[in-house]
Amino acid sequence: TQLLEQSPQFLSIQEGENLTVYCNSSSVFSSLQWYRQEPGEGPVLLVTVVTGGEVKKLKRLTFQFGDARKDSSLHITAAQPGDTGLYLCAGGRETSGSRLTFGEGTQLTVNP
Amino acid sequence: NAGVTQTPKFRILKIGQSMTLQCTQDMNHNYMYWYRQDPGMGLKLIYYSVGAGITDKGEVPNGYNVSRSTTEDFPLRLELAAPSQTSVYFCASSSPLRTLPQHFGDGTRLSIL
Repeated sequence: TQLLEQSPQFLSIQEGENLTVYCNSSSVFSSLQWYRQEPGEGPVLLVTVVTGGEVKKLKRLTFQFGDARKDSSLHITAAQPGDTGLYLCAGGRETSGSRLTFGEGTQLTVNP
Repeated sequence: NAGVTQTPKFRILKIGQSMTLQCTQDMNHNYMYWYRQDPGMGLKLIYYSVGAGITDKGEVPNGYNVSRSTTEDFPLRLELAAPSQTSVYFCASSSPLRTLPQHFGDGTRLSIL
């Protein structure tokens, strides 16, 4: 059972365009993390959100946690080729300790 | 800082062979994890450990074994390699607080032929 669904699975856009990636679940999570992974490397944390409705900004990236803490979104403004990578969302639960449930990922390609 | 170090980076095994994937971290983290990543499938938890001497199964533990004799090391053992175990394996470590990041190694790409 895939508890966290990400969409789209693949996204190819031109430099300067905006985009949004979604992470959805039917379950409530107590925290939600977004990671970015480049080829040949492990995922690296971008942000953690813990409060329903929370919005965090990281330069051109905006992350939002849904009010019900079942979904999250990542919005990138004016995408650049350096944003290319695999974006993974990961949810944590009170009952799971530090274990995370990962989504399948969104592969983003930003073309110059 | 080295962070999480995995060896080897690449390996090809024949069906039925055994091997150990090594993982060591220098951040004094209590929690360590092994994941596998298949194309389009995200990360699946194989085993995890909350401290030396304590290990537990994740989502996909069949065909694997782990041990945790020290805080730093968390090796993953494949006893009888099968083609279904062809994947990229990631080791990660973290502190106990769920909102803090998991720190990943660069992975071991394993092919079973």
